[in-house]
Amino acid sequence: AAGVIQSPRHLIKEKRETATLKCYPIPRHDTVYWYQQGPGQDPQFLISFYEKMQSDKGSIPDRFSAQQFSDYHSELNMSSLELGDSALYFCASSLVRSSYEQYFGPGTRLTVT
Amino acid sequence: LAKTTQPISMDSYEGQEVNITCSHNNIATNDYITWYQQFPSQGPRFIIQGYKTKVTNEVASLFIPADRKSSTLSLPRVSLSDTAVYYCLVVLFHGSGNTGKLIFGQGTTLQVKP
Repeated sequence: AAGVIQSPRHLIKEKRETATLKCYPIPRHDTVYWYQQGPGQDPQFLISFYEKMQSDKGSIPDRFSAQQFSDYHSELNMSSLELGDSALYFCASSLVRSSYEQYFGPGTRLTVT
Repeated sequence: LAKTTQPISMDSYEGQEVNITCSHNNIATNDYITWYQQFPSQGPRFIIQGYKTKVTNEVASLFIPADRKSSTLSLPRVSLSDTAVYYCLVVLFHGSGNTGKLIFGQGTTLQVKP
């Protein structure tokens, strides 16, 4: 079965640079979520989209922005990167009617040096 | 959303049944109890979800007492590959067009030994 696709899988950036992470949800899933997981920490909700509209916002820094496109893929844009942004970034997708059952992608490991 | 409390870690041996209890004293009427499993450097994986009484699937069982202030995830006959972090979450069920963000608290690290 098709799963959530994230790209790139690994990304190394320097401080103050920008990064763009991409997420391709499972076909026919209408909702996308972004989570950040720092080293040794639990996943933290960043933001979600339903039918291309922002639905909910969590602890997402102002330096980050995200959107969902007409083909339902989503991008997380991160600017002015800081060392503390080094983390695993997961994208998940679901059907809104069963949003407790989210399917997570393999994650993008971002390292900021 | 209701805060959840679960043990930080548990040890077990292969072939045993493992029960992980989670307390959620402030659970609301429209909240569902959901459990996820996470292996190192992988995304969390949905295990099971329930509202009350007992739910069973091919992977686990979930027991929820009548007052819903706690729940117990039961993993039958664990194997080494069940070594992972298990998260108990309370999720507000959205019925019409709103998403349900997952708020992860501190999970339970289960170590299965041979």
